Amino acid sequence: NAGVMQNPRHLVRRRGQEARLRCSPMKGHSHVYWYRQLPEEGLKFMVYLQKENIIDESGMPKERFSAEFPKEGPSILRIQQVVRGDSAAYFCASSPVAGTTDTQYFGPGTRLTVL
Amino acid sequence: KNEVEQSPQNLTAQEGEFITINCSYSVGISALHWLQQHPGGGIVSLFMLSSGKKKHGRLIATINIQEKHSSLHITASHPRDSAVYICAVKGAQKLVFGQGTRLTINP
Repeated sequence: NAGVMQNPRHLVRRRGQEARLRCSPMKGHSHVYWYRQLPEEGLKFMVYLQKENIIDESGMPKERFSAEFPKEGPSILRIQQVVRGDSAAYFCASSPVAGTTDTQYFGPGTRLTVL
Repeated sequence: KNEVEQSPQNLTAQEGEFITINCSYSVGISALHWLQQHPGGGIVSLFMLSSGKKKHGRLIATINIQEKHSSLHITASHPRDSAVYICAVKGAQKLVFGQGTRLTINP
């Protein structure tokens, strides 16, 4: 049973370009969470999605960031017109259900560098 | 003041020592997680607690809901335990993270 997969593992973009980060949850998991870890800072919640629905996006910046989790395929975190401050590690996690005591399983992360 | 506070921020110890990392939180929670992040950056979930105590190998995690406090203990520490240990609390759905404790175990 493969774990949570993220790709790419490393992504380099120039300012103004778009970044697309992909997350494939563990098999049987229908809940996905995205987190951001800025350099020398702790992890911060960004968004929580179920299949085809955004449940909580309270941690998403208001502009340039969007997330989706379609019926088929991976969850996508999209950052438009990237700026240097977007450079960070982006982690996704998945869980099988939304119960309050369910463990979240983390992917290896995507390290985004904006030049 | 952060909702989740960890102490110490950095900890260096000799191989074999007993390690304790503390986590205090100020919000109501449904569960508390302890995570391990290795130098390569990957994150592993060690424990999820909603009450009492859990043990896995040399790791022990405890939580006191009334005092809003949790501890992670490592017995007979080893250099391979060197990592950042992160406490995260869960309310309704999302996790709120502490800043992490950087642990270095010297041989």
